[in-house]
Order: sequence, then structure tokens, then C-alpha cells
Amino acid sequence: RKEVEQDPGPFNVPEGATVAFNCTYSNSASQSFFWYRQDCRKEPKLLMSVYSSGNEDGRFTAQLNRASQYISLLIRDSKLSDSATYLCVVKNTGNQFYFGTGTSLTVIP
Amino acid sequence: DTGVSQDPRHKITKRGQNVTFRCDPISEHNRLYWYRQTLGQGPEFLTYFQNEAQLEKSRLLSDRFSAERPKGSFSTLEIQRTEQGDSAMYLCASSLGGLAGEQFFGPGTRLTVL
Repeated sequence: RKEVEQDPGPFNVPEGATVAFNCTYSNSASQSFFWYRQDCRKEPKLLMSVYSSGNEDGRFTAQLNRASQYISLLIRDSKLSDSATYLCVVKNTGNQFYFGTGTSLTVIP
Repeated sequence: DTGVSQDPRHKITKRGQNVTFRCDPISEHNRLYWYRQTLGQGPEFLTYFQNEAQLEKSRLLSDRFSAERPKGSFSTLEIQRTEQGDSAMYLCASSLGGLAGEQFFGPGTRLTVL
């Protein structure tokens, strides 16, 4: 079983739409959680960390459900510039980071 | 630019040749990671250093791969006797450590083995 599982998509949404991505992880002892954004042929860049209480950064909201071992990312009022691949990342107790395969988002004008 | 840098950005080699990549992390970061990424996949962990000590290696890392971080600053990743299956983007990331330990990635080295 993979450490981190994501729906690869693609998600094609119109500008202004709200879109949500989910990710599940297998190790209940995982310590830290992140969402990274990766543009085509570029390196991943940190979008936001995910805290137990949930956190928001502008149009982006991240949630963590430890009981069900899933993480979510909600993007409101989608912009064309949000088009990218969104990677779910989980850090275990041994300081290894596990990446999902990524979810592809295209925002359509 | 004080971010993570990698060199070279692109490498084309023939099967059987050895290649070496370099990563310079953000200067105050004590942790350094190497990943491999192929098309349509997320980055796959290869190995991790804390300062100069190599603390973890993926079981996927064959004996042909070796990494060093001799002075706890820059790191090198060497692949010996390259195979076509080694073609991928090799990413380096660094972090400060701690519970959160967000990683910051370099631009990657794209390896093509002919």
C-alpha cells in the first residue's frame, strides 16, 4: 500500500469555481503534513502546511483528519494561475517525506 | 539568489557512463534530501542527510547510487553505470528540521540516459 494516495485527476474547472482535493495516508504515526504546488517542468514549491486545527491562507484552506487519515485542500474562487499539480506530502517520524502522485488542476477561462 | 541550487540542470549521457550531480542547499539548513521524479509521479525519496551524516537511504536506491555531503554543506549524488531506467528528474531539497521541517526544493537536474 502506498504511503500517500491522491486522485490524479485531472480536474478541469471554470474560473471562479471552488475545487477540493483529498489525500489519504497510511501511517497513523505521521507527524507533519503539507500541500505543495508543482508547475509543469518546475520544482515543487510549498503551498501550505496543514495543521490539526485546519488552516487558511487567502483562498486556500487545508484540513487534517487524523482519525480517518486524510488531508484536504480547498481552493475558492479559482484563478487561471492556480493551474498546476498539487502534491500531498506526509512526513513520518523518521524524517522521510512521502509524496502523493499529485492532482492535476486546470482552470478554464 | 539564496535558494537551493543544483548543477547541472540537464545531463545527457550514454548507458554505462557515470554521472555526478551537485546540490547547494540554503546555507542555514542542516537537512538535505535527494529525490527522483518521473513523469506523472510525485518525488520519490532517495536519501537524507543531517549535516554530514547520511541518516536514511531508500531501499529503492541500488548500489550504483551514492551520495555524500562531506562538510555538511553541499551534496553530490553519483550514479555509476547508468541505465535507461535512471532517466528522471533528480531533485534536491533542504530544510531546517524540527517538527514542521518544510522542505525547499532546487530546480532539479534532468537526466537522460541514451
